[in-house]
Amino acid sequence: NAGVTQTPKFQVLKTGQSMTLQCAQDMNHEYMSWYRQDPGMGLRLIHYSVGAGITDQGEVPNGYNVSRSTTEDFPLRLLSAAPSQTSVYFCASTQGVGEADTQYFGPGTRLTVL
Amino acid sequence: GQNIDQPTEMTATEGAIVQINCTYQTSGFNGLFWYQQHAGEAPTFLSYNVLDGLEEKGRFSSFLSRSKGYSYLLLKELQMKDSASYLCAAATGAGSYQLTFGKGTKLSVIP
Repeated sequence: NAGVTQTPKFQVLKTGQSMTLQCAQDMNHEYMSWYRQDPGMGLRLIHYSVGAGITDQGEVPNGYNVSRSTTEDFPLRLLSAAPSQTSVYFCASTQGVGEADTQYFGPGTRLTVL
Repeated sequence: GQNIDQPTEMTATEGAIVQINCTYQTSGFNGLFWYQQHAGEAPTFLSYNVLDGLEEKGRFSSFLSRSKGYSYLLLKELQMKDSASYLCAAATGAGSYQLTFGKGTKLSVIP
């Protein structure tokens, strides 16, 4: 199993550009989440999905869109990038509730918006 | 609102024991996770507590008191490779897919 994969690993954008961060998992997990990590802020939940076709907002959803057309994939779209979106983005997946269903994190995408 | 507090930095000596504390105030609670994150890498799971008490996993133990909104991670026989950030996270929604994280504690292990 590859686990949770994310592409790209690094990305530099100009303000106003759009892009999609890709996330895929091969563990047949129902639940997937996107977090951003900023220095001194900890990880913050952007959006999550409880299954194909179902998504919801987390703590910091503004400026981001998600969709979940398949169990495996959960892309994160930046519609019009802003310098405040410079961050490290982690995708995670889990089967559900409890220790046996802990979240598995992808390697992250390091995004810089100029 | 959600609030999770943990110390920003700690330093400990190789071979020693260190305790990292975490206090939480959340509107929902379905368990407390601890993750380890080495610099430039993804968080990896260490432990999970949902009931009061101590959970032991080798050199790592985690404790939870739900009534006090308090947890700690205990690391024994510290090794240099334990130098990392330790993240306290509460499951504040229906499941572990909705985690609220503390800002992390950066642990430096010195010889």
